[in-house]
Amino acid sequence: SQQGEEDPQALSIQEGENATMNCSYKTSINNLQWYRQNSGRGLVHLILIRSNEREKHSGRLRVTLDTSKKSSSLLITASRAADTASYFCATGSRGGSNYKLTFGKGTLLTVNP
Amino acid sequence: ETGVTQSPTHLIKTRGQQVTLRCSSQSGHNTVSWYQQALGQGPQFIFQYYREEENGRGNFPPRFSGLQFPNYSSELNVNALELDDSALYLCASRSLGGLEQYFGPGTRLTVT
Repeated sequence: SQQGEEDPQALSIQEGENATMNCSYKTSINNLQWYRQNSGRGLVHLILIRSNEREKHSGRLRVTLDTSKKSSSLLITASRAADTASYFCATGSRGGSNYKLTFGKGTLLTVNP
Repeated sequence: ETGVTQSPTHLIKTRGQQVTLRCSSQSGHNTVSWYQQALGQGPQFIFQYYREEENGRGNFPPRFSGLQFPNYSSELNVNALELDDSALYLCASRSLGGLEQYFGPGTRLTVT
């Protein structure tokens, strides 16, 4: 079953604009991660935020986490055509050897040149 | 690109047949997970292997089984294929204690 729900399902913007994607989840988490997928290929890890963190930055990416609302957002600043991809949030449960990621359905981002 | 490789890239099988998919994990990673991604959906966790044993399983029937080898590579076996098994199968590896998963490019399975 899907844990996260991304919003919007699809987003189309112009190059140079910022893109914001949201994710909501249902159960308590150890961490939340964002992944990117190009055209049905493998997923690439973008950024991880732990449950005791509120905000994290990596290059043009900014992630926020609100555990009281069970939600997260991913902001991509100054978008480029190469950012066109599907973006998934994934919640991580537990740790150590018994650990899995539960993914949402994703947001399809299209950046128009 | 991660160091995780999968084979084959594409596969077409007939309903009722059996299939084996293969994965080589990234160097230094001893834990392998398999995910199924249907078209337009997010990946769904099938199971995880650590020290050659399954130690976590998602909501998939027993006809989905796996192996992990001493070199940490892994296989996913699916028996009695059904049309709904058509999907992208993703392998991901991580080190024990690591939280990020490193995904391979996937195997696209089509069941006709």
